[in-house]
Amino acid sequence: QQQVKQSPQSLIVQKGGISIINCAYENTAFDYFPWYQQFPGKGPALLIAIRPDVSEKKEGRFTISFNKSAKQFSLHIMDSQPGDSATYFCAAIQSSGTYKYIFGTGTRLKVLA
Amino acid sequence: EAQVTQNPRYLITVTGKKLTVTCSQNMNHEYMSWYRQDPGLGLRQIYYSMNVEVTDKGDVPEGYKVSRKEKRNFPLILESPSPNQTSLYFCASRTLAVGRPYEQYFGPGTRLTVT
Repeated sequence: QQQVKQSPQSLIVQKGGISIINCAYENTAFDYFPWYQQFPGKGPALLIAIRPDVSEKKEGRFTISFNKSAKQFSLHIMDSQPGDSATYFCAAIQSSGTYKYIFGTGTRLKVLA
Repeated sequence: EAQVTQNPRYLITVTGKKLTVTCSQNMNHEYMSWYRQDPGLGLRQIYYSMNVEVTDKGDVPEGYKVSRKEKRNFPLILESPSPNQTSLYFCASRTLAVGRPYEQYFGPGTRLTVT
């Protein structure tokens, strides 16, 4: 019940295309869903995050779509650029109580020039 | 500059030889955490701490110890390392202040190899 399932494991997109990464969770107590971006040799960095009372959040080319009833959320990268090539992790936390972070298994994105 | 630092960045050791990976943050964050990153498994939380002298287990605490004697430091201790603890380790911190973002700040990582 604590898992966050992330797919696909890897993704190759042409420059200018849309990259879509999906995550699903089971624990309905999760109330904060961040996405992290990690470049090789670096630690993850927060990209964008959403709470379950919102169905969509957009920041620049990055959009989170959230489906509370299906317990799924996804990251959309519009107009994907080679500089977006990185590993992306979704995560879920329960902000009251344990404060444990549960991460997905990661998606390695490669954007071809 | 606000940052999380880890030392060492790279470490090769032998089975059974006790080691400590240090983590320090300069943002006065209450919450600190350790993760290990393995291919295909993503980031898994080892231990976390919500404040000085308050620590709790994450998903994969076996074989690890932590302590939080000062707010800025959160060392990870492997008392008897084994090859299955070969991994990339990240320390992270965040504020728990009400109304502040939940963003975790990650350190640069420590690559540990146990032979």
